[in-house]
Amino acid sequence: IAGITQAPTSQILAAGRRMTLRCTQDMRHNAMYWYRQDLGLGLRLIHYSNTAGTTGKGEVPDGYSVSRANTDDFPLTLASAVPSQTSVYFCASSAERGGYNEQFFGPGTRLTVL
Amino acid sequence: GQNIDQPTEMTATEGAIVQINCTYQTSGFNGLFWYQQHAGEAPTFLSYNVLDGLEEKGRFSSFLSRSKGYSYLLLKELQMKDSASYLCAVRGGDYKLSFGAGTTVTVRA
Repeated sequence: IAGITQAPTSQILAAGRRMTLRCTQDMRHNAMYWYRQDLGLGLRLIHYSNTAGTTGKGEVPDGYSVSRANTDDFPLTLASAVPSQTSVYFCASSAERGGYNEQFFGPGTRLTVL
Repeated sequence: GQNIDQPTEMTATEGAIVQINCTYQTSGFNGLFWYQQHAGEAPTFLSYNVLDGLEEKGRFSSFLSRSKGYSYLLLKELQMKDSASYLCAVRGGDYKLSFGAGTTVTVRA
């Protein structure tokens, strides 16, 4: 059982390019999340999905989009990358959005935008 | 919005006890989580508090006071492998998690 996988592990991207970060979970969790982690700022929520077919905006959604076509996959797309999007991106999932349901995190994608 | 504060860094000796405090101001409250994150790795779940009081899990304990907007994580019998960042996270009324910036704990021999 893999849990949550993310791809790529790391990427260097030219500004203005389009990029999709992939996230797949095999735990049949309903809720999935995308965070970015920057030094001194902690984890910040970009977008989330409470169940397949629905998505919502987090704290820092600008410049990012997501889709949730099925339970397992939750890709994050940067339509036109900018240097301020240089960060470590973590995908997470939880069985449900509330209750005693902790979030499980993927290994992260380190993205550098030049 | 949410405001979550925790110290930036703490240092302790192997075998000692360290207490990491977290204060929060949030719109609604649906639980407080503590996560551990080793350098270059993903956060991993440590504890969850939704009611006031102490939750004990082996060497780790977490305390919550909802009226004071306060929690702490207590790490006992420190080991070198406990050197990591510890993240306090609050689930607000909208069920979204808001994280503090994290406390880096360094355990010295």
